[in-house]
Amino acid sequence: GAVVSQHPSWVICKSGTSVKIECRSLDFQATTMFWYRQFPKQSLMLMATSNEGSKATYEQGVEKDKFLINHASLTLSTLTVTSAHPEDSSFYICSARALQGQGYNIQYFGAGTRLSVL
Amino acid sequence: AQSVAQPEDQVNVAEGNPLTVKCTYSVSGNPYLFWYVQYPNRGLQFLLKYITGDNLVKGSYGFEAEFNKSQTSFHLKKPSALVSDSALYFCAVRDKAGTALIFGKGTTLSVSS
Repeated sequence: GAVVSQHPSWVICKSGTSVKIECRSLDFQATTMFWYRQFPKQSLMLMATSNEGSKATYEQGVEKDKFLINHASLTLSTLTVTSAHPEDSSFYICSARALQGQGYNIQYFGAGTRLSVL
Repeated sequence: AQSVAQPEDQVNVAEGNPLTVKCTYSVSGNPYLFWYVQYPNRGLQFLLKYITGDNLVKGSYGFEAEFNKSQTSFHLKKPSALVSDSALYFCAVRDKAGTALIFGKGTTLSVSS
């Protein structure tokens, strides 16, 4: 299957600082990437849909000024958590959509980034 | 709106026994259904999908799933469980090719030796 690389895998930062998470599709081009957030023992919650070359679409309740998404190329999307606070501590997972045959596609996932804000 | 229900928080089976992880869905159109597995502190790994065609789909690691339109279900199955199958399993759905997946809350599978 297609490979999605997410970096860093773990980051600890002080409250008030910003953190950037990178998501790369290694062996395919992804016009669309997705960012999810996962709380312990809970499901993945879609935060936003990132389309190459255009503004991201945020889900209801997600602060777009807090979670900045940039999808500057067909293989790279970044999520920047601005002015992070302890309540932003979570597991963030990116996903890239790979186009298959017959018109359907599969989402492949990065390994996730655990963010801990002190 | 789309939704996915995984009624069991945890499923316990003995190694060598068959396993079933349940999933029901709700979409407005034809469903695109997926199963993913997650190991601790890792991202999700794709197991299998149903888009169209045969109701029984086969995936990775010996897993299969049966699509039942009348019951709006897509249960994950495996004839003989392995201890290494112990993980968190997510069912996901979308109703259009271009939309993001919506996930169930996940089911923890524990296989004992």
